[in-house]
Amino acid sequence: EIVLTQYPGTLSLSPGERATLSCRASQSFSSSYLAWYQQKPGQAPRLLIYGASNRATGVPDRISGSGYGTDFTLTISRLEPEDFAVYYCQQFDGSTVTFGGGTKVEIK
Amino acid sequence: QLQLQESGPGVVKPSETLSLTCTIFGASITSSTYYWAWIRQPPGRGLEWIGTVSYSGTTYYNRSLRSRVTISVDTSKNHFSLKLNSVTAADTSFYHCARHFVTGTTWFDPWGQGTLVTVSS
Repeated sequence: EIVLTQYPGTLSLSPGERATLSCRASQSFSSSYLAWYQQKPGQAPRLLIYGASNRATGVPDRISGSGYGTDFTLTISRLEPEDFAVYYCQQFDGSTVTFGGGTKVEIK
Repeated sequence: QLQLQESGPGVVKPSETLSLTCTIFGASITSSTYYWAWIRQPPGRGLEWIGTVSYSGTTYYNRSLRSRVTISVDTSKNHFSLKLNSVTAADTSFYHCARHFVTGTTWFDPWGQGTLVTVSS
C-alpha cells in the first residue's frame, strides 16, 4: 500500500501570501493517479486537482499542482480568505486508494 | 446536476452491522465510465477510503476493513450500499459516498454531504 505523508501539518499564513503544500509517497507511482481536495468545516471535500496538475471545473488558476514520482506539491499563489481550509492528497494504485493525513492552512 | 445523498441510522450498537445507502440523483449508476465509493472521516480527523464498486459489481476494498465490509449496487433503485459488520466505537465517523473515476486518472467528485454514524450502546 502506498502511504502518503503530507507536510507541514499546519501552515500559518496571511491573505495574499503564497502557500506550498507537500505530499510525499512511500513509493513512486504515476502522477496521473494523484488528486488534491479542499475541505472546509462542516463540508464535504471538494476536488481541486487531478492527474497531479489538472484543475477541476471551477477551480481558480491561483491554485496549481505539480510533481511526479514520489513528491507532489499543491501551490496557492496568493491566499484568498476562502482558501483557509484543510487540504488532502489522494492516490489510486489500481486496487487501493489512500489519502494523506492533511495540511491545515490557517490564518496567521 | 449530479448529487449523492447518504441515508441510514445515526446510531448503531457495538457488534452490530452498520448499513448505509447512497442514492444518486441526476445520473445513472449503470454508467460504465464511473465507479462509486464510500469514504469515512472520524470527527476532527482525516479521510479513510472504505471501498469502491462498479455498476457491474466489481469491488475494491480497503485492506484493513475488507473482512468486515460489503459494498453493493442496486441498479433498479439507482443506489449503492455499504454494510460494515462487527462495529466498535472506532467505527464512529462521518460516512461519505462519492463518484469515483478510475480510468487513466483518479478523482472523487462529487461527494455526498456525509452522515454521522455513532457506535454506542
